[in-house]
Order: sequence, then structure tokens, then C-alpha cells
Amino acid sequence: DAGITQSPRHKVTETGTPVTLRCHQTENHRYMYWYRQDPGHGLRLIHYSYGVKDTDKGEVSDGYSVSRSKTEDFLLTLESATSSQTSVYFCAISMGGGKLFFGSGTQLSVL
Amino acid sequence: EDKVVQSPLSLVVHEGDTVTLNCSYEVTNFRSLLWYKQEKKAPTFLFMLTSSGIEKKSGRLSSILDKKELFSILNITATQTGDSAVYLCAVEAPGNTPLVFGKGTRLSVIA
Repeated sequence: DAGITQSPRHKVTETGTPVTLRCHQTENHRYMYWYRQDPGHGLRLIHYSYGVKDTDKGEVSDGYSVSRSKTEDFLLTLESATSSQTSVYFCAISMGGGKLFFGSGTQLSVL
Repeated sequence: EDKVVQSPLSLVVHEGDTVTLNCSYEVTNFRSLLWYKQEKKAPTFLFMLTSSGIEKKSGRLSSILDKKELFSILNITATQTGDSAVYLCAVEAPGNTPLVFGKGTRLSVIA
């Protein structure tokens, strides 16, 4: 494995609560990504980071924020969770040459 | 807007059949095309193609790219139940821009 860990693996929360998902890597890769995956939509990019404190929005960034204060950690925050944010969230790191390595995913349910 | 379209969206075949999955793209300044396989968890890398007409092979899986017609195919021969998965196509543009993913093809192989 490329040394990427997502936590938590599963989370159930209520509408309106803040939620933070964590992605941790052990190999010092510069580029990190957060995707969500929903039936019929495939993988959609939420935010990505190209270095400490350097982040940019993806195609579905509304309602999400990210932070990267250390190379190894990339946090995704849902400021006020909504039912439409029920999804599987994947973190990924760039191995170079366009190739991504994905974490195992977080199943988030917002009730 | 960059776009990647996969077809069919889903496919059911019997063990031993040969299948062809399609991926067409409209991406400015194409650099490479990647195929991933996703079983129950995270997508895993299969192939990266950068040049037209050069087939990549791994066992019963093979893929080829046509940069003139802007598409790629993924072939699986002598399918097995273990080939059941979602197959994702993604395209990379230069400059460390994030991959653009298609919605995937769900392949089900039945005994």
C-alpha cells in the first residue's frame, strides 16, 4: 500500500452537525484529493491540495471546506451536514504521472 | 468543459465471454488516459495509456488508445466472476490538473 489511511471508516450523523473526515499519508506526496462517489455520478472531485496550505476547489465543493496544515494530513469538513452529502468519500494521493492511489473510503450517512 | 463518457453504463455477461468497455473523451491538452477497477472498496489502477495504437496488456485485460478519434477501449477475455467490478476511465491534462473521471461501467459476470 502507498500508506494512506482514512478515518473514520463509517459515520452516521444528523443534519446540521459539522463533520470532519481525515486523510493521512505516510509517504510525503505533494498532491492529495477528496472525491465523493454516488450511484449514477461516478467519482466527483470536491477539493484538492498541492501542498501545505495550498488547496483548490473541485466540481462539487459547495458545502465543503478543507485544510492541510501538514504534508501528511488532508482534512475535509462538512460545515453543516445535509442529507445530500450522504455518500462514500475517498481520499487519494498522486503517485506521479497522473496515477492516483486511493484510500479505503469513508461511508457517511446524514440523517 | 472537459468530459469523459463511458459506455455501456452496465453490462451483464456469462463466464468465459469477452467484453469491451468504451471510454471517449473531450479534454483540452490531453496527456494520458487511465483505467481503474473498483470492486467493493477503493479504485485500483489498471493501465495508463499515452500513445495511440500501443496496446497495454495484463493477463486477460488489455487496453488501447486512439488519440485521433479520442477514445479508448478496455477488453477482458475469458471473463471470470472475479472480474465483476466497476471499471473507471479517467483522463489527465497537463499541469497537475486533477483527473477527470467517467461515471464508470458496472460489469457483472455470472457463472
